[in-house]
This record gives sequence, structure tokens and C-alpha cells, in this order.
Amino acid sequence: RKEVEQDPGPFNVPEGATVAFNCTYSNSASQSFFWYRQDCRKEPKLLMSVYSSGNEDGRFTAQLNRASQYISLLIRDSKLSDSATYLCVVTPFSGGYNKLIFGAGTRLAVHP
Amino acid sequence: EAQVTQNPRYLITVTGKKLTVTCSQNMNHEYMSWYRQDPGLGLRQIYYSMNVEVTDKGDVPEGYKVSRKEKRNFPLILESPSPNQTSLYFCAIGGTSGSSYNEQFFGPGTRLTVL
Repeated sequence: RKEVEQDPGPFNVPEGATVAFNCTYSNSASQSFFWYRQDCRKEPKLLMSVYSSGNEDGRFTAQLNRASQYISLLIRDSKLSDSATYLCVVTPFSGGYNKLIFGAGTRLAVHP
Repeated sequence: EAQVTQNPRYLITVTGKKLTVTCSQNMNHEYMSWYRQDPGLGLRQIYYSMNVEVTDKGDVPEGYKVSRKEKRNFPLILESPSPNQTSLYFCAIGGTSGSSYNEQFFGPGTRLTVL
């Protein structure tokens, strides 16, 4: 079983739609959680961190459910520029070693 | 702004011909890491370094070597490349404390093909 699992998609949605991605992780001791965005053939970039209380950044909302070992990302009012692959990322350790465990990514395609 | 440079960006080579992919950073970050990305598998860590002369294996170190003689550079060495090392490689940097702890910055990637 993969440590971090995501639905690969693709999710094809029209502009203005709301879309949600889910991610599960297997290590209950995982410490930190993130969503990274990766455009085609480009490097991953941090989109947002995910906190237990949930957090929002503009049109993006991230949620963490530690009991179910589940992370979600909600994108409201989708834009064409949101088309990308979204990577769910966890860190297994606390302290000074920031190893990242990546999911394989969920691809989003927003169309006019 | 954090800057991570990798060279070369694209490389086609043949089995067994030693090669080095360079990674350089301008942020004075202690932590540097190499990942490979393959379809359906996500990014997997090859090696990482916590500081100068401190390196350790990641999840898929076989067939790779690294060195960290200076803080800004972290080259990835393939002594005898094989076709199963055909992949997209990313170098990443990160801080190990404070506000830079949680975010890693990635280089632009090196697409390697081994024939």
C-alpha cells in the first residue's frame, strides 16, 4: 500500500465549478501535511499547508482529519489557471528532518 | 526569492556513461535533497543532506551518489547509468528550523533519458 494515495483523475471541470480532491495517508504518526501544485513538466510548488483546524487561502480550502487519516483540498470558482496536478504531501517526522512523502498527484483540467 | 538551479535540464545518454547533475542554491539553506519523479509513482527521495559533509540515503538510493562539499551545491552522480534511471529529477532545498522549516523549494528539473 502506498504511503500517500490520491485519485489520479483527471478531473475535467468547467470554469466556475467547485472541485474537491481527497488524499489518504497510511502512517498515523505523520506530522505535517501540505498540498503542492505542479504544472505540466514544471517543478512542484507549495500551495498551502494543512492544519487540523482547517485553513483557507482565497478560493482554496484545506482540511485534515487525523482520525480518518484523510486530507482534502477544495477549490471554489475554478479558473483556467487552476489546471495543474495537485500533490498531497505528508512528513513522517517531527524535528529538523523535513522528509516529504508525495502522493502521485491528482490532475485537474479546467475548461471554458 | 529562493532560487535552485539544475544543470543540465535535459540529457540523453547511454548505459554505463558516468554523469553528474548539478544543483546549486542561493538561499544558504542547510537542507538539500534529490527526488525522482516517475508516472504513477509520485516523487521519491533519492538522497538528502542536512548540511555540509552530512548526507544520507532516501527511499531509492541505489545507483546514485551525492556529495556536499559546499553548502550551496549538491550534485547527483550516476556512476553507471541504466535505462531504469530514465526519469525526471528534482533538487529541493529547505530550512531546518523557523519559518522555512515546512516549505521546500524545487529546482526546475532535469529530464534524463538513458538508452
